[in-house]
Amino acid sequence: QSVLTQPPSASGTPGQRVTISCSGSSSNIGSNYVYWYQQLPGTAPKLLIYRNNQRPSGVPDRFSGSKSGTSASLAISGLRSEDEADYYCAAWDDSLSVRWVFGGGTKLTVL
Amino acid sequence: EVQLVESGGGLVQPGGSLRLSCAASGFTFSSYEMNWVRQAPGKGLEWVSYISSSGSTIYYADSVKGRFTISRDNAKNSLYLQMNSLRAEDTAVYYCARDDRMGVWGQGTLVTVSS
Repeated sequence: QSVLTQPPSASGTPGQRVTISCSGSSSNIGSNYVYWYQQLPGTAPKLLIYRNNQRPSGVPDRFSGSKSGTSASLAISGLRSEDEADYYCAAWDDSLSVRWVFGGGTKLTVL
Repeated sequence: EVQLVESGGGLVQPGGSLRLSCAASGFTFSSYEMNWVRQAPGKGLEWVSYISSSGSTIYYADSVKGRFTISRDNAKNSLYLQMNSLRAEDTAVYYCARDDRMGVWGQGTLVTVSS
């Protein structure tokens, strides 16, 4: 059972816009930044979004993040076949002796 | 090039021990906090442990507390995870990741706990 809650799956057709939600609590998303990672099969996770809505250099502006209260969302516009991957949200948690918490991951399928 | 390379994974029997290493290069390792994150086969990411840049502050997930020990050697640019009393549920790919944004990850090393 992951601390952050994500839908297990999402899908869309090429060119569409899809969103993936991430729900937490006051001790994590409610009081800390949200991060998003993309994981292609057999590879390490890659940072997509940091500090709620910032993109590292090299990440296309088709990817965007937002946060409101204890929830966050990742939006992918102009969906492409290479976007098919697992997506994870993460945040620091203010609970005693915990640093990071993750969502369970969302498998994005491009139809 | 900023890089993290894990090693030390393998097959171990339940109750056994294993020590993972993570070699850092391309950045000033001693300035960064570090983490271990694992991923069981077909499952999601699970944070395992954190260590501050000096090693003075350490956190563990409840699932490994009392069994795993994180440490670092800044002179050798290396991060370690000593894993004792291993269980089948510890089977996973173990990644080291730099704490700032979790923006730098290694390629992972597979630990399989099985008899």
